[in-house]
Amino acid sequence: EPEVTQTPSHQVTQMGQEVILRCVPISNHLYFYWYRQILGQKVEFLVSFYNNEISEKSEIFDDQFSVERPDGSNFTLKIRSTKLEDSAMYFCASTRRASGIKGGTDTQYFGPGTRLTVL
Amino acid sequence: AQSVTQLDSHVSVSEGTPVLLRCNYSSSYSPSLFWYVQHPNKGLQLLLKYTSAATLVKGINGFEAEFKKSETSFHLTKPSAHMSDAAEYFCVVSPRNQFYFGTGTSLTVIP
Repeated sequence: EPEVTQTPSHQVTQMGQEVILRCVPISNHLYFYWYRQILGQKVEFLVSFYNNEISEKSEIFDDQFSVERPDGSNFTLKIRSTKLEDSAMYFCASTRRASGIKGGTDTQYFGPGTRLTVL
Repeated sequence: AQSVTQLDSHVSVSEGTPVLLRCNYSSSYSPSLFWYVQHPNKGLQLLLKYTSAATLVKGINGFEAEFKKSETSFHLTKPSAHMSDAAEYFCVVSPRNQFYFGTGTSLTVIP
């Protein structure tokens, strides 16, 4: 069964450094998402992406975050200058189509996550 | 505004007894609703989803959920708990191209 993959599984970085988290969505999916889960807290939506542009973003997704689909398979989340509070598990997800389409929201398939630790 | 409330942060049941995990939502639109499960150190796995078809939704591993619009609820049930059901469960509402997660319910199954 096709699955979403994420690399690395664990990333340790120094405060102020840039990090890039990588995701490979399911190949025929068109919509891509990033979420984060701070330890002990709920999963929070960051951003959705379709047709090479951001579709929706949350308040968390400020100017230090950016997303990109550099080629036909990868979907990346960049954090320009990491802060201690960026330490979290980051999940990538993909759907074949978006919500709001007649028939309801398509299922999101999640990757296993990247644990980011900012020291 | 959209929100999801999972009424219990922890639920503990004995193996073989029924499971009930409660979820209430609010949404400005007719939403789709999901339940996901997260086992320790694992990613999120879809259990089931409601997308405006049948109000009683059957999922994997014997789980079911019933959409009750009048109560704005989408509670997750299972007739008989198994040890492998011990995990964190998330209710998710998706009114548009965003997904809003509840705070999660940790299910403990006692042998």
